Amino acid sequence: SAVISQKPSRDICQRGTSLTIQCQVDSQVTMMFWYRQQPGQSLTLIATANQGSEATYESGFVIDKFPISRPNLTFSTLTVSNMSPEDSSIYLCSVEEPTSGSYEQYFGPGTRLTVT
Amino acid sequence: AQSVTQLDSQVPVFEEAPVELRCNYSSSVSVYLFWYVQYPNQGLQLLLKYLSGSTLVESINGFEAEFNKSQTSFHLRKPSVHISDTAEYFCAVRIIQGAQKLVFGQGTRLTINP
Repeated sequence: SAVISQKPSRDICQRGTSLTIQCQVDSQVTMMFWYRQQPGQSLTLIATANQGSEATYESGFVIDKFPISRPNLTFSTLTVSNMSPEDSSIYLCSVEEPTSGSYEQYFGPGTRLTVT
Repeated sequence: AQSVTQLDSQVPVFEEAPVELRCNYSSSVSVYLFWYVQYPNQGLQLLLKYLSGSTLVESINGFEAEFNKSQTSFHLRKPSVHISDTAEYFCAVRIIQGAQKLVFGQGTRLTINP
């Protein structure tokens, strides 16, 4: 299984600012995903980030608000731009290696973001 | 589109009692099914999955889930729970062909009381 770390683990930010979240994996993986878990709610996929191609965003999420980078097979960043209190959530990255045939996604510990 | 419904947001049980966490899904195509667990202050971990074959799947810590295609359900059960099972449990699906994204249910908070 892949070991995933995220930075920062938590942050408190002011309205109107931006925060970049880092996701580091201990092995090369093809597919990386970014999810959001709003307080008391389930996980919602923001976008899929594959190395060498533009991220694919889910309905309701746009690149201007959540720009994503995927410079190599072990690293990705998600930026939450022009934040508002509604962006207060836990942001999680996950990875999957399709060639493994396991269909398992492994999740990072999450970044708890509070916007004031 | 797929959707997942976990009927119980919270389930309190006494230690050593049996428990069932319910999960129903909706999909027009075949899906894979998963249960993830989130222990307090930890990330999500895969508990068990159904891909094909036997409809009853088991985890290493005594949980089991049964895929019921006719009822579109994937309920999670354990015959005797332990304090350490206290966690949030998420049911998830993904379609077999196409996008790899997981669609999650709302989660069920399992609280074990001594």
